[in-house]
Amino acid sequence: GAGVSQSPRYKVAKRGQDVALRCDPISGHVSLFWYQQALGQGPEFLTYFQNEAQLDKSGLPSDRFFAERPEGSVSTLKIQRTQQEDSAVYLCASSPSSGGPYEQYFGPGTRLTVT
Amino acid sequence: GQNIDQPTEMTATEGAIVQINCTYQTSGFNGLFWYQQHAGEAPTFLSYNVLDGLEEKGRFSSFLSRSKGYSYLLLKELQMKDSASYLCAVRDRNYGQNFVFGPGTRLSVLP
Repeated sequence: GAGVSQSPRYKVAKRGQDVALRCDPISGHVSLFWYQQALGQGPEFLTYFQNEAQLDKSGLPSDRFFAERPEGSVSTLKIQRTQQEDSAVYLCASSPSSGGPYEQYFGPGTRLTVT
Repeated sequence: GQNIDQPTEMTATEGAIVQINCTYQTSGFNGLFWYQQHAGEAPTFLSYNVLDGLEEKGRFSSFLSRSKGYSYLLLKELQMKDSASYLCAVRDRNYGQNFVFGPGTRLSVLP
């Protein structure tokens, strides 16, 4: 079956540009997470959705970051006025439920480079 | 807050056994997960522990001691394809449903 997919896989943006990163979770998965992973580091939490509700956005680093999941499936992470420090891999993960023994299934990530 | 610590790098020989340790501090422990991540790829799930003890899954085993805030991942009969980063992640009920990841341990398996 299909796993989590993300697009684009690679994105180069000039400083100040806006970018939109897409995540297609596994069909039927209730929970969706966004993480940011710097080179050589573990992923860091950005935000969490349960269906269409954004229940936790405590990890978003600034108000330039915005995420949505309007119909409870596909999600978009938008970064406005990109800065060089935004360069990282952005990982999306989905899970069939929240909590419990359910692991998170990760997509391949979008590598964002801000020049 | 939460603090998760792992060794940054480890090296082992093909066919050997390696143990990757993870220590954590959390007030609302709600499960510990191990993931494998090859360079440029998505993390893939290896194991889950929520109760103390050892969980075995083929060549991979994971151990948890909640009282010590300690886990390890044991890899047996190492193969070259096991060269990857190994991520320890903790879920804390005080911080919602997201995982808090450690920095990852980069394992190099040598012939």
